[in-house]
Parts: sequence; C-alpha cells; structure tokens
Amino acid sequence: DGGITQSPKYLFRKEGQNVTLSCEQNLNHDAMYWYRQDPGQGLRLIYYSQIVNDFQKGDIAEGYSVSREKKESFPLTVTSAQKNPTAFYLCASAPTASYGYTFGSGTRLTVV
Amino acid sequence: AQSVTQLGSHVSVSEGALVLLRCNYSSSVPPYLFWYVQYPNQGLQLLLKYTTGATLVKGINGFEAEFKKSETSFHLTKPSAHMSDAAEYFCAVRTTGGGNKLTFGTGTQLKVEL
Repeated sequence: DGGITQSPKYLFRKEGQNVTLSCEQNLNHDAMYWYRQDPGQGLRLIYYSQIVNDFQKGDIAEGYSVSREKKESFPLTVTSAQKNPTAFYLCASAPTASYGYTFGSGTRLTVV
Repeated sequence: AQSVTQLGSHVSVSEGALVLLRCNYSSSVPPYLFWYVQYPNQGLQLLLKYTTGATLVKGINGFEAEFKKSETSFHLTKPSAHMSDAAEYFCAVRTTGGGNKLTFGTGTQLKVEL
C-alpha cells in the first residue's frame, strides 16, 4: 500500500548532538514537507521541497537542515543549533497539483 | 498572509450530540480550506477540503463543513458524536506564494462523553 513512513517513532538524543529523522514515501508525490508540532501551537512549517534537489525554508528553519536527493526521500536533520528541539515532527507529501497532504505517523524527538 | 483561528482549544460533547468545531480564516485571495483529524501519537488525516464550487463539503466519518465567505468561516460539524470521534482537529488554509503550503490552526481537542 502507498504511504509515508517516518522512522523512528521515538528518538532520544543528548543535547548538542545532531540527529536525522527519516521520511520515505511511495506515493510518487512531487512535494514533501516537514512540520513541527508543539502542544497548543498547531503545526509549523520547517522546510519543504517541490522537486528533487531543491528545497525551501519554511517559517522555523533555523537549526534544521534537509536534503532531497531522491523523489521518495526527504530526511530532516535537527542540529545542535536548534535551541528547543524536543517536539513531535511530522512529514507530509502531496502531488504538485493537489491541495491536500498525506501525513506520516510522526517522530517524537526528546533531547535530554 | 493567510491564517486560521480555531475558537476553543477544548470542546466536550455527549455521545449522540451535535459536534461543532469553529474555524475562521483570513485570506487576501479565495481560500482553499481543510480540516484534519489527529489521534494520539499519530499523523494527521484529511477529513475534507474546500477549493471551489459547492460551499457545503462532505467528508469522511460523517463530518461536513460549510464555507461562508460573508462570515469568513469554515466550521466543522457532525450531527451525532461517537466515542471514536474523540481526537484533535485542525483547520488549515493554503498559503499563497507557491509550494502548496498549508498554515494550520492551533487545534481543537474534542472530548466525547457517555
């Protein structure tokens, strides 16, 4: 079945370490997105990519980096520069001409 | 810039009662509007969307929403709540500037009581 896979579901890291969250889709969608979710704040856009080898910053890109080397994959790296990285991270994808996202099941990152 | 405001961070209803979750939008262009549902520790699932055409939109699980331009609203309703409807609901608007980006509201937690 087609869908988006985020791994791992739970991730623990020590402060100061970089960590990479995986997002893979087999929906043949062109566009992919990373959102951060914090309680009471809704979802905030970190980065998005509309095509392979191209991506743009969202509203809260500082302290994060991404790559888009393959259409199916859009990994997110949370760097040590991110001041408050503990959050629930959601990856989504969409066909370019569509107006709704398909979401993965999320990765809960806890930095201690 | 486009934005949405969800009124009420928590809503509680009895099983069988009407569900009404409120969403007001702000947009400088004709909006594309969405409702998503999220169960604990899960991703978001699309309930319904409005792009153009009929202003009453029907979605999954018996939910519907009506686009009212005069009131800048897109409220979500369901005639009869079920225990399985307990979840967090997010309203979203498509943002201009390319990229098919969505701006989300802060969410409404729906509790269904016996």
